[in-house]
Amino acid sequence: QVQLVESGGGVVQPGRSLRLSCVASGFTFSNYGMHWVRQAPGKGLEWVTVISDDGHDQYYADSVKGRFTISRDNSKKTLYLQMNSLRAEDTAVYYCAKDGKVIVVPTAPDSWGQGTLVTVSS
Amino acid sequence: SYELTQPPSVSVSPGQTARITCSGNGLPEKYAYWYQQKSGQAPVLVIYEDSKRPSGIPEKFSGSNSGTMATLTISGAQVEDEADYYCFSTASRGYQWVFGGGTKLTVL
Repeated sequence: QVQLVESGGGVVQPGRSLRLSCVASGFTFSNYGMHWVRQAPGKGLEWVTVISDDGHDQYYADSVKGRFTISRDNSKKTLYLQMNSLRAEDTAVYYCAKDGKVIVVPTAPDSWGQGTLVTVSS
Repeated sequence: SYELTQPPSVSVSPGQTARITCSGNGLPEKYAYWYQQKSGQAPVLVIYEDSKRPSGIPEKFSGSNSGTMATLTISGAQVEDEADYYCFSTASRGYQWVFGGGTKLTVL
């Protein structure tokens, strides 16, 4: 049974940094691409970034490009999201999600964590 | 940037068929995926690769993709199907993933 547990959310001032983590279990982590998806309060889902199974390829939404960095440690079955230069509009619940395909270009999430809330406010 | 367009809301009576559409220029070449999100919960995948159902998803959920429009169909919708539904796909040039704006399904 796939389990994804996010952590690291909290309240942070504009311009500061925060790192989110997502610990995976119940599947072979190193075989799957992984996504981060966010949802601002009362708003829809927004795809943020994805990383390939081996960590070599990363892709970002324009809204976070140059500020956020996705990474992974397959030995620890852990996904990360380093968020720099945070803005008020980055306030959202951040979900970690497993891709649905094995060892190919990521396609779409098929399993999600419960999310961690990031609030950017002075 | 690539966009997927959904109606903000759809309303049906219990037992009726609900259809939620998603339009995008890349859909003739790329798969559509559908997620259900109930209030306060994480999203759940209900349709992948246009028309396939993950294990555990009831047969009432079906999907299709024709031309530039994908459609999620919920047959015999019930109150428990009330949720926000999101389509998801990639741009035809690849490497750009996007959600539709979401559709709130009301069953009453």
